[in-house]
Amino acid sequence: AQSVAQPEDQVNVAEGNPLTVKCTYSVSGNPYLFWYVQYPNRGLQFLLKYITGDNLVKGSYGFEAEFNKSQTSFHLKKPSALVSDSALYFCAVRRSGGYNKLIFGAGTRLAVHP
Amino acid sequence: EADIYQTPRYLVIGTGKKITLECSQTMGHDKMYWYQQDPGMELHLIHYSYGVNSTEKGDLSSESTVSRIRTEHFPLTLESARPSHTSQYLCASSGRGAHTDTQYFGPGTRLTVL
Repeated sequence: AQSVAQPEDQVNVAEGNPLTVKCTYSVSGNPYLFWYVQYPNRGLQFLLKYITGDNLVKGSYGFEAEFNKSQTSFHLKKPSALVSDSALYFCAVRRSGGYNKLIFGAGTRLAVHP
Repeated sequence: EADIYQTPRYLVIGTGKKITLECSQTMGHDKMYWYQQDPGMELHLIHYSYGVNSTEKGDLSSESTVSRIRTEHFPLTLESARPSHTSQYLCASSGRGAHTDTQYFGPGTRLTVL
């Protein structure tokens, strides 16, 4: 079965500290993996994606993600968190079978404290 | 920000009313999607389209219907709204160019049915 898991409902981090938001996936074939961020009363904003190539992917707002095939993980990271990073983060994987449909995780709320 | 628009942003209506949520994109994308999301929760795909006159139902059963008469326009209609339809509805599109596999989201419509 194809699925995405975000094991943490919420992640709390102090401003200036590094942050990690975890994601694991299960999909047949080579995975296409995505991270999105959602601010209150807004749609989702695309942060970054992994299709192929380097396992470390750099994206918007200083975020990066590391693809680990053996652990089927795609964790989102940032070296130094900002209060403005506080939002809801979604990991997604493209389904096999065409039409570019995505499976989303349940989301992780990131709270960055001053 | 992607060029995808949704109107209205907020809608409060009474039970039994017919409503249409508008979604349009100016990127020439061939694929479009509707998701339903309760606040702060995961996204559920309710409809998708891979081109003009091609629509399919998604994973979550929905009483809504969609149409795709023009590439840029993908409206969602509820013939008779009920309180159970209260939710946020997100439209997305993908296709064409360097980011054919990335879905771009509109700002969403928050629907409340009294």
